[in-house]
Order: sequence, then structure tokens, then C-alpha cells
Amino acid sequence: RKEVEQDPGPFNVPEGATVAFNCTYSNSASQSFFWYRQDCRKEPKLLMSVYSSGNEDGRFTAQLNRASQYISLLIRDSKLSDSATYLCVLNTGTASKLTFGTGTRLQVTL
Amino acid sequence: GAVVSQHPSRVICKSGTSVKIECRSLDFQATTMFWYRQFPKQSLMLMATSNEGSKATYEQGVEKDKFLINHASLTLSTLTVTSAHPEDSSFYICSAPRTSRHYNEQFFGPGTRLTVL
Repeated sequence: RKEVEQDPGPFNVPEGATVAFNCTYSNSASQSFFWYRQDCRKEPKLLMSVYSSGNEDGRFTAQLNRASQYISLLIRDSKLSDSATYLCVLNTGTASKLTFGTGTRLQVTL
Repeated sequence: GAVVSQHPSRVICKSGTSVKIECRSLDFQATTMFWYRQFPKQSLMLMATSNEGSKATYEQGVEKDKFLINHASLTLSTLTVTSAHPEDSSFYICSAPRTSRHYNEQFFGPGTRLTVL
């Protein structure tokens, strides 16, 4: 079983739609959780950290369910510029090493 | 914000050539840097952890004699792909962690696209 599993998509949604991505992880010792965004042929960029209490940053809401080992990202009012691959990323606390999911591709259309 | 640079951004070389990639943290010091590789439509895979002043730590399955890492200073790590072959063609990305409002936020370089003919 992969350490981090994501639906690769693509998710094709119209502008203004709400879209949700899920991610499951296998290592219950994982300590920190993040969503990164990666544009085609570019480096990943941190979108937001994910906390058990849930957190929101503008149109983006992230949730963590430790019991189910599950993370989610909700994007409201999608923009064309949200088109990218969204990576679910974990840190198990070992010297800042990150484990990446394969990513979920989002395509927002007119 | 913090910036990590990589050089070169793109390399095309013949099989058997050695290729050196530099990763620099521009406005902070990094005792640790990470090297990743990403094949098309796949996730970033950690290759090794570069440690300033000591040997790099390689992930399982990564040949240390093929991928030479040198952490020359607190702002520079280099990855040398020795005797590159077509199967080494990939997107190589480095990152450096820095404590910020996010726990151990990682700052990524822009990546180096290696094509071995």
C-alpha cells in the first residue's frame, strides 16, 4: 500500500464550482500534513498546512481526520488560476523529510 | 520570502556524461537540504538528504556512487549524476527547510530538467 494515496483525477470543473479532494495515508505516526500545489513543469509550492481542528485560507479549507487517516481539501468558487496538481504531503517527524502523494489534477474551465 | 535557486534549469547531455546540479538557499542558511526526483505523471520521490559537514543520507534504492551529493556550505548543496543514462532523465528538485509559521516549511528550488540522449 502506498504511504499517501490520492485520486489522480483529472477533475474538470467549471469556474465558480466547489471541488473537494481527498487523501489517505498509511503511517499513523505522521505528524504534519500539508497541501502543496504544483503547476506543470514547476516546483511544488505550499498551499496550506492541515490541522486536526480544520483550517481555512480564503477559498480553501483543509481538514484532517487522524482516526481515519484522511485529509481533505475543499476549494470554493474555483478560478481558472486554480488549475494545477494538488499534492497531499506528510511529515513523519524525521528530520523534515516529506512524503508526497502523486497529486490530483484540477482543470477549471470557462 | 525565502528563495531557493537551482542551476542549471535544463540540461541535455549525451549518455555517459556527468551532470552537476547546484541548489542554493539565497536568504537563509540550511544545514539540511533534500534532493527529489520526479518522473512524468509521478510523485516527487526523495532521493537523499544532504547534510552540511557530513555525508548525505540516501533513500533505499538510490545509488550513492551514481548520485554524488556534496553540501559544501550552509547555502549550497550539489548533486552530480555520474555517467548519466537515458533512464536518469527526470525532473530533479531540491528543497531546504526553514522554521517559519508553518512547521518546518520546505522551500523548493525551481527544478532542473535533465534529458540524457
